[in-house]
Amino acid sequence: GENVEQHPSTLSVQEGDSAVIKCTYSDSASNYFPWYKQELGKRPQLIIDIRSNVGEKKDQRIAVTLNKTAKHFSLHITETQPEDSAVYFCAASSFYDMRFGAGTRLTVKP
Amino acid sequence: EAGVTQSPTHLIKTRGQQATLRCSPISGHTSVYWYQQALGLGLQFLLWYDEGEERNRGNFPPRFSGRQFPNYSSELNVNALELEDSALYLCASSARGGFGTGELFFGEGSRLTVL
Repeated sequence: GENVEQHPSTLSVQEGDSAVIKCTYSDSASNYFPWYKQELGKRPQLIIDIRSNVGEKKDQRIAVTLNKTAKHFSLHITETQPEDSAVYFCAASSFYDMRFGAGTRLTVKP
Repeated sequence: EAGVTQSPTHLIKTRGQQATLRCSPISGHTSVYWYQQALGLGLQFLLWYDEGEERNRGNFPPRFSGRQFPNYSSELNVNALELEDSALYLCASSARGGFGTGELFFGEGSRLTVL
């Protein structure tokens, strides 16, 4: 497996605004792309995932897009709320490996 | 249903010593994954065990090793501890073996401090 780049490292938005986090990967064998949310002092938890045969997936206020040709994928959170404040990790996975980005610390200001 | 459990919660060691961390997966899960979460570096893949066998390991030296027991619980051993081994060690399990087969369920981690 190879590295996953994640940007930005920190993101601050006003409540109600949208937030976008972007990731790029280099391993062509990657075919599964999950996003995990880690609140302060808690365990990472899956919030949404997408497979390589799908370009976009949405779950209420959260959506993920994947451009397999360009090897990048993004997380979109709309109508942000203070409880969305956390560190978000993207990951790119093949069967034998899952590599995580360095994380984005999202702060939603009320 | 109990989640992934890890012990100890905190561990303090000195340089050169050995550390042993333990993980119990969710009941019915056969795959266990270990990650190191050092400050500012995200989650770095260490080891994957499935059905008692090591299936893959990340870019870590051989002094990081482990095993999986017949009841699918797992142990991570770190020998000859160095200061940079200080980190949160996370264990995860999945219902089916292999990354990408479904969600990884993480434990709350074991924080190792090397003095």
